[in-house]
Amino acid sequence: AQSVSQHNHHVILSEAASLELGCNYSYGGTVNLFWYVQYPGQHLQLLLKYFSGDPLVKGIKGFEAEFIKSKFSFNLRKPSVQWSDTAEYFCAVIAYGGATNKLIFGTGTLLAVQP
Amino acid sequence: NAGVTQTPKFQVLKTGQSMTLQCAQDMNHNSMYWYRQDPGMGLRLIYYSASEGTTDKGEVPNGYNVSRLNKREFSLRLESAAPSQTSVYFCASSERTGYSNQPQHFGDGTRLSIL
Repeated sequence: AQSVSQHNHHVILSEAASLELGCNYSYGGTVNLFWYVQYPGQHLQLLLKYFSGDPLVKGIKGFEAEFIKSKFSFNLRKPSVQWSDTAEYFCAVIAYGGATNKLIFGTGTLLAVQP
Repeated sequence: NAGVTQTPKFQVLKTGQSMTLQCAQDMNHNSMYWYRQDPGMGLRLIYYSASEGTTDKGEVPNGYNVSRLNKREFSLRLESAAPSQTSVYFCASSERTGYSNQPQHFGDGTRLSIL
């Protein structure tokens, strides 16, 4: 069965610090990978996605993620965080070509950025 | 605005009461989903509908029923609410492009409290 692990449950950073959030998945085949962000009181929004090709994916708001197939990882990065990046971040995976299009989410990482 | 619309946004129920959460999307997506979000557990899939006329159980279907009324609408029903169903419920929709599973679009959520 597919699963997603986010090992950092709660991260606190100061503004301008660099960010890296870990995401590891368990699945033997080809996957589509996503990072979603949920700002306080809001719904989930797509940050970036990986389908194929260049393993370094750039998303909105200066975020990027690197797909490392050998490590089953899809870590999210940002060189310099802002206070407005305070949110909960979810990694998600789906089996490529899966008939049901079901996303499996990680448990989320709560990021607090201190001004 | 185009997207996924959920109603109601907030609801308080007594144990044993029934309720239907409504969801509609105007993006002509084939697939629709219901999730629940609980602290520290991420999003868990309750039910999904891969296409109009089909529904399937997700990870946590017990205590819920769904109806895919048409391509636009996908409702979630609690027949006899229990305190364990206190949660935030999100509806989502998505489309497939060939074998690629496009990102899901989420509604604003329904905060449900069961006393």
